[in-house]
Amino acid sequence: EVHLAQSGGAVVQPGGSLTLSCAASGFTFDDFAMHWIRQAPGNGLEWVSLVNWDGSDTYYAKSVTGRFTISRDNSKNSLYLQMNSLRPEDTALYYCVKARESGYDFDYWGPGTLVTVST
Amino acid sequence: DIQMTQSPSSLSASVGDRVTISCRASQSITSFLNWYQQKPGKAPKLLIYAVSTLQSGVPSRFSGDGSGTDYTLTISNLQPEDFATYYCQQSFSRPEAFTFGPGTKVDIK
Repeated sequence: EVHLAQSGGAVVQPGGSLTLSCAASGFTFDDFAMHWIRQAPGNGLEWVSLVNWDGSDTYYAKSVTGRFTISRDNSKNSLYLQMNSLRPEDTALYYCVKARESGYDFDYWGPGTLVTVST
Repeated sequence: DIQMTQSPSSLSASVGDRVTISCRASQSITSFLNWYQQKPGKAPKLLIYAVSTLQSGVPSRFSGDGSGTDYTLTISNLQPEDFATYYCQQSFSRPEAFTFGPGTKVDIK
């Protein structure tokens, strides 16, 4: 059974930094691309970032480019999101998401971890 | 950037009803269209990918159709567990961008 265990959410001040982690199990982690997707409270879904199977290719939404860094450690079956220069509009529930074989649709989602950017 | 819209934004229906949700892209997305279901307090769940292919384990009362810019999700014989919010998502602009629709909330009449 696929399991994505997330951690790292916190309350942080504007301009601060935070790293989210996601520990994967139940599938061959380095066979699949992984994504981060977020959902602001009461709002819809926003794709944040994609990393390919070996971490050599990464992509970001325009809203986070230059501030967020996605990475993975296949030896630890783990996915990360380093978030710098955080803004109040980054406040959201962040989901760690496994891609299907195509890489471009999302078949398993973690429970989410809440990031709140506020003074 | 490709924008996604959904209609209606919400609807009320009864158990046993047939429900159709529409999704429109701002340009042709040549069938790179997926549907998700989200229940309150839960993560989204993939229902349909590539317009009409049911994800494993999804009941056959869910179906998808469409092409170009216009797509639909249909739930036939609505069940109590189907009351949720439904999102469409395009992956045409992969890998640089993936866009979700604003969602359609289906609740009990």
